[in-house]
Amino acid sequence: NAGVTQTPKFQVLKTGQSMTLQCAQDMNHNSMYWYRQDPGMGLRLIYYSASEGTTDKGEVPNGYNVSRLNKREFSLRLESAAPSQTSVYFCASSGWDPNTGELFFGEGSRLTVL
Amino acid sequence: AQSVSQHNHHVILSEAASLELGCNYSYGGTVNLFWYVQYPGQHLQLLLKYFSGDPLVKGIKGFEAEFIKSKFSFNLRKPSVQWSDTAEYFCAVRSGGSYIPTFGRGTSLIVHP
Repeated sequence: NAGVTQTPKFQVLKTGQSMTLQCAQDMNHNSMYWYRQDPGMGLRLIYYSASEGTTDKGEVPNGYNVSRLNKREFSLRLESAAPSQTSVYFCASSGWDPNTGELFFGEGSRLTVL
Repeated sequence: AQSVSQHNHHVILSEAASLELGCNYSYGGTVNLFWYVQYPGQHLQLLLKYFSGDPLVKGIKGFEAEFIKSKFSFNLRKPSVQWSDTAEYFCAVRSGGSYIPTFGRGTSLIVHP
């Protein structure tokens, strides 16, 4: 079972460069999320998508854009990378079942901005 | 807005010691509560969750958590830790009709063999 797949796993960028993190899930989940994880800060929500065709800002959206390409895929774009965006990025998904509600996470993408 | 506090940022234990990690949240209404674990170099995975019913919830690998509504708490416990429990632990709370959980800052647990 693939679950949630993120690419790339590692990336080094120079300040000002752009890149897109890709995420795909094969669990037929409606909701998808992008988090960043920084030491001592836990997980902070960047953007989320409740369903195909919708996206909303989370706690820390500045400097990022997202696209919910279809039900399976949710990408995160950095248009002009900054050193403050050095982080580990996690994509996650969840279904509509109110009795579960757990998030399923990808393995993370470690981004370094020089 | 919901906030989640994990009081212990770093915990170091010897094998066989007992573990309790604190988690408190701010919203007083209906809540769904989760503990996630992140082993070194891996992604987060669900350890246990509480939605309703028995406030003592049992999860995988011998972990359990108790929901105490009056204290707005959902502490994680394990009677005897193992070296393989070395990981980062995150408490998360979903509340107010929102399906999006709020995460605590995490607790890093190191278990010495």
